[in-house]
Amino acid sequence: AQTVTQSQPEMSVQEAETVTLSCTYDTSENNYYLFWYKQPPSRQMILVIRQEAYKQQNATENRFSVNFQKAAKSFSLKISDSQLGDTAMYFCAFLISGAGSYQLTFGKGTKLSVIP
Amino acid sequence: DAGVTQSPTHLIKTRGQQVTLRCSPKSGHDTVSWYQQALGQGPQFIFQYYEEEERQRGNFPDRFSGHQFPNYSSELNVNALLLGDSALYLCASSPVPQRGGELFFGEGSRLTVL
Repeated sequence: AQTVTQSQPEMSVQEAETVTLSCTYDTSENNYYLFWYKQPPSRQMILVIRQEAYKQQNATENRFSVNFQKAAKSFSLKISDSQLGDTAMYFCAFLISGAGSYQLTFGKGTKLSVIP
Repeated sequence: DAGVTQSPTHLIKTRGQQVTLRCSPKSGHDTVSWYQQALGQGPQFIFQYYEEEERQRGNFPDRFSGHQFPNYSSELNVNALLLGDSALYLCASSPVPQRGGELFFGEGSRLTVL
C-alpha cells in the first residue's frame, strides 16, 4: 500500500517570502504521478502542480515549483513570492501509473498561512 | 462552463439513517470519483465510476454504495449511518483517459451524523 506523509501540520510565511512544504511517500512502484493540491477555506480543491516520476526535471508552474527526489521518495513544494491568496490547506497526493489504478492517495495536509 | 457541482452542501442526519449525495461532473467529463475527508485529514478514496460501473473501490464498507447515470452524474449512498461517517464528501471528475491527469473537485457535501 502507498502512504503519503506530510510532517508539517501548520506553517506560516510572510507575504512576498518563500516557503517550502515537505512531503514524503512510500511505494514499491516505479512509475507513478505526484501532485500538490490546494484547498482554500472555500473548500474547493484545485491542482497546483504535478510531477511524473519518470521525468527527472522538476515541475514548475509560475511561483510554484517542486523538488522531486525519487531515490529519497521526497516531493517538496516551494512557493515563491507568497501571496495572501496562497493561504490554504496543501495536500500532497500520489497515483500509481499502472492500468487499473485510479485511486489518489493523499497526505494529511499542511495548513499554510500567509501573513501580511 | 460549470465545474463540478454537489448537493446538498450541508446536511444533518442521525445514527442509523440513510443519506444520498449527488454530483454533476464538469462538462465533458465522464469519470466520477468520491472521496471522504474527515476533519483535519486528507481525502480518502471511496470509489470511482466510469461507464455507469464501479471501476475501483477503496477501503470502505458495503454501507457505502454509488451509482452513475447515463448523463455521467453520480450519487453516493450511505446506509446505517455511524457517528464516524461525519465528514466532508468530495466528488471529483475527470475526462478519459485520466492517467496522471488533473481531478476537478466540487466544493463538497458536509455531512454531520448525530
